[in-house]
Amino acid sequence: AQSVSQHNHHVILSEAASLELGCNYSYGGTVNLFWYVQYPGQHLQLLLKYFSGDPLVKGIKGFEAEFIKSKFSFNLRKPSVQWSDTAEYFCAVKTSTDSWGKLQFGAGTQVVVTP
Amino acid sequence: DSGVTQTPKHLITATGQRVTLRCSPRSGDLSVYWYQQSLDQGLQFLIQYYNGEERAKGNILERFSAQQFPDLHSELNLSSLELGDSALYFCASSVAAGASYEQYFGPGTRLTVT
Repeated sequence: AQSVSQHNHHVILSEAASLELGCNYSYGGTVNLFWYVQYPGQHLQLLLKYFSGDPLVKGIKGFEAEFIKSKFSFNLRKPSVQWSDTAEYFCAVKTSTDSWGKLQFGAGTQVVVTP
Repeated sequence: DSGVTQTPKHLITATGQRVTLRCSPRSGDLSVYWYQQSLDQGLQFLIQYYNGEERAKGNILERFSAQQFPDLHSELNLSSLELGDSALYFCASSVAAGASYEQYFGPGTRLTVT
């Protein structure tokens, strides 16, 4: 079965530290990849997405992600986090076999940034 | 604010009861998706509608049903509720169906079954 794996469930780091969240998917065909963020008490918001082209994509709020096809990975990075980045981060995949576009989500990573 | 609205925000009900969750998509969006977020299952796709018709089904229980009305709002009906149905239910909408269209999420309805 197709799946999306996020390696870390909880990450705690200090302000100005660098962040990298891992995401792997198990699907051999064409995929569209997404990272969503859910701030405390808020709805899911799209951080960035990859459909095709340059495998390094830049999103909002200084986030970027790199698609490595050979590793089936789409890791999220931010060079220097802020306290306001405390949130839950979800990796999501749409596969080419699903023409209607439903998202498959990873389990999420809770990120806590301490001052 | 994503433009997607969901009501109610919170719902507390007893086992065996039936509830209806409502979603209004962004203006102009034709496709509506329902997702369930629970501690043990994470975020799971339930069902999708496009312009009033069901288009995709995920891990949706037979006790659950949904529909999309002519004005494009959608309702998710949950019946014979069990404790395990306690979760956050999200609605998302997109301008059309398909992989290349961004989904915008509503604030969710938190359902607590006691």
